[in-house]
Amino acid sequence: QVHLIQSRSEIKGPGASVKVSCRSSGDSFVDQFVYWLRQAPGQGLEWMGRFNLVYGVADYGQTFQGRVTITRDTSKKTVYMELTSLKSADTAMYYCASGNLGAGPADKWGQGTLVTVSS
Amino acid sequence: QSVLTQPPSVSGAPGQRITISCTGNSSNIGAGYTVHWYQQLPGTTPKLLISGDSHRPSGVPDRFSASRSGTSASLAITGLQAEDETDYYCQSYDSRLRGWVFGGGTKLSVL
Repeated sequence: QVHLIQSRSEIKGPGASVKVSCRSSGDSFVDQFVYWLRQAPGQGLEWMGRFNLVYGVADYGQTFQGRVTITRDTSKKTVYMELTSLKSADTAMYYCASGNLGAGPADKWGQGTLVTVSS
Repeated sequence: QSVLTQPPSVSGAPGQRITISCTGNSSNIGAGYTVHWYQQLPGTTPKLLISGDSHRPSGVPDRFSASRSGTSASLAITGLQAEDETDYYCQSYDSRLRGWVFGGGTKLSVL
């Protein structure tokens, strides 16, 4: 069974950027899409965007347009999510997940990466 | 403010049946986009519970079922068990926002 393995927790200052990685434990990702979501402490789930692994195209949630970039490195079996201009409200657990449809659902989930934004 | 509306909490006694509603509008559920449900145990990663309105992934007990009608969907849990006490989220796609939308989550308490 293929697992999604995310990078370690990060602590960043306001205004900085963070880049979170999501690697497939198998030879490659088995699904067509990798999604990125986040969950602030005590809050619900929020969709950030998705990467289409077949066409190599990303698209993003309106809330994050202009601040988030999702890319991949095929040789490393890894998808990255970079969020810029961090503020304290960006403190959250960031999840990658995968599935075969653009509209979801997220079948498989990474373990989550905690990003803390603090001065 | 979540695009999909769920009750913040529901409760039921062991063995009982409960439902959790998820209300959207004409650009998401009402537009025909399917609804998915996730279960999130405390301190853990969300888990897909129901996909495509009513499909249970392998390993999900048949005590869990879901349906969609009009601009709403609902999750039903029969034969409530203590282990069901956790948070549940609905998710769909929104054509106006061009992205996924979630309900705010419902905390289920098993009394």
